[in-house]
Amino acid sequence: RKEVEQDPGPFNVPEGATVAFNCTYSNSASQSFFWYRQDCRKEPKLLMSVYSSGNEDGRFTAQLNRASQYISLLIRDSKLSDSATYLCVVNSNAGKSTFGDGTTLTVKP
Amino acid sequence: DVKVTQSSRYLVKRTGEKVFLECVQDMDHENMFWYRQDPGLGLRLIYFSYDVKMKEKGDIPEGYSVSREKKERFSLILESASTNQTSMYLCASSLYDRGVNYGYTFGSGTRLTVV
Repeated sequence: RKEVEQDPGPFNVPEGATVAFNCTYSNSASQSFFWYRQDCRKEPKLLMSVYSSGNEDGRFTAQLNRASQYISLLIRDSKLSDSATYLCVVNSNAGKSTFGDGTTLTVKP
Repeated sequence: DVKVTQSSRYLVKRTGEKVFLECVQDMDHENMFWYRQDPGLGLRLIYFSYDVKMKEKGDIPEGYSVSREKKERFSLILESASTNQTSMYLCASSLYDRGVNYGYTFGSGTRLTVV
């Protein structure tokens, strides 16, 4: 079993839709959690950190459920520019991260 | 903004060549990492470093070595390039301060082809 698992998708949604991605992790000692966005043939870029209390940045909401060992990303009012691959990242040791394989989102007009 | 610069965007090398991939960051981060990314396999950690002259093996270190002589520079070395090392190589740096991990900043990647 992989340390970090994501549904690869693809998720194909119309503009304006709400879409949610989940990511599960196996190490209960994991300490910090992130979502990254990666555009085609580009490097991953940090989208947001994920905290136990949940956090929101505009149309994006991230949540952590430690008991069930998963994190989620919710995107409201999807834009064409949200089309990308979203990577879930889990840190078990100081500074070292394990990446999920990513979930591909395509937002269509 | 942190900037992580990788020396080459595209590189073509011959089998058996020694290959150097350079990475420089400008924000005084202690932590630096080398990953490779392949379709269907995601990002896999090759080596990382928490400080100058320190290095730790990641998940797939075989066939690679690293050098960290200065804090801002982390080099990945392919001792004898092979075709299965054709990949996208991504360097990253991160700040880990008083128990808080602030996430990675990646370079724009080096797409290496070994022929």
